[in-house]
Amino acid sequence: DAGITQSPRHKVTETGTPVTLRCHQTENHRYMYWYRQDPGHGLRLIHYSYGVKDTDKGEVSDGYSVSRSKTEDFLLTLESATSSQTSVYFCAISSGDRGHYGYTFGSGTRLTVV
Amino acid sequence: DAKTTQPPSMDCAEGRAANLPCNHSTISGNEYVYWYRQIHSQGPQYIIHGLKNNETNEMASLIITEDRKSSTLILPHATLRDTAVYYCIVSNTNAGKSTFGDGTTLTVKP
Repeated sequence: DAGITQSPRHKVTETGTPVTLRCHQTENHRYMYWYRQDPGHGLRLIHYSYGVKDTDKGEVSDGYSVSRSKTEDFLLTLESATSSQTSVYFCAISSGDRGHYGYTFGSGTRLTVV
Repeated sequence: DAKTTQPPSMDCAEGRAANLPCNHSTISGNEYVYWYRQIHSQGPQYIIHGLKNNETNEMASLIITEDRKSSTLILPHATLRDTAVYYCIVSNTNAGKSTFGDGTTLTVKP
């Protein structure tokens, strides 16, 4: 999607290894989010950020950490990947302007932990 | 966070209006209703949002009941390309955190 990119698009990693996913935006939006989506289900919030160095946990944060050192980048790290973290990960951004939190999503990262 | 309830699936004939319902009975006064759709495994796409008035854009119309406890997304002339999973969510005013349910799978049939 315009203004937001995720990398890598696909990754296969081994159990126990650390993995970092990157979300990059060019919209200068304040808010950024990481969601995961498992087959046949909706999205679940992992972590979100409301500014540089300001982050908080979502509903499924165990085993994940995030960092936001610049407005444009939001990194998601799986500290020690497990098979249960095999999923599609989506990043989203929103401006929050005038109380409007409409999301723009990235194209997703498909992660497989073997 | 306010939860939403949607039917798991719906069918619609091509060219007809698709009316997708959503229940959000615990919505707070300053929370918006948002609709997104997801085609295959792409990232969800924003469709429309509203607070208490009905809204219309080039993609769809959103009808919100007066008590704000439910809403309906209307695709006026559904096409095969509208086949997708549609999510109705309520956006928390605390940093816009949103809870996605399983959505409604809309299948548009020829």
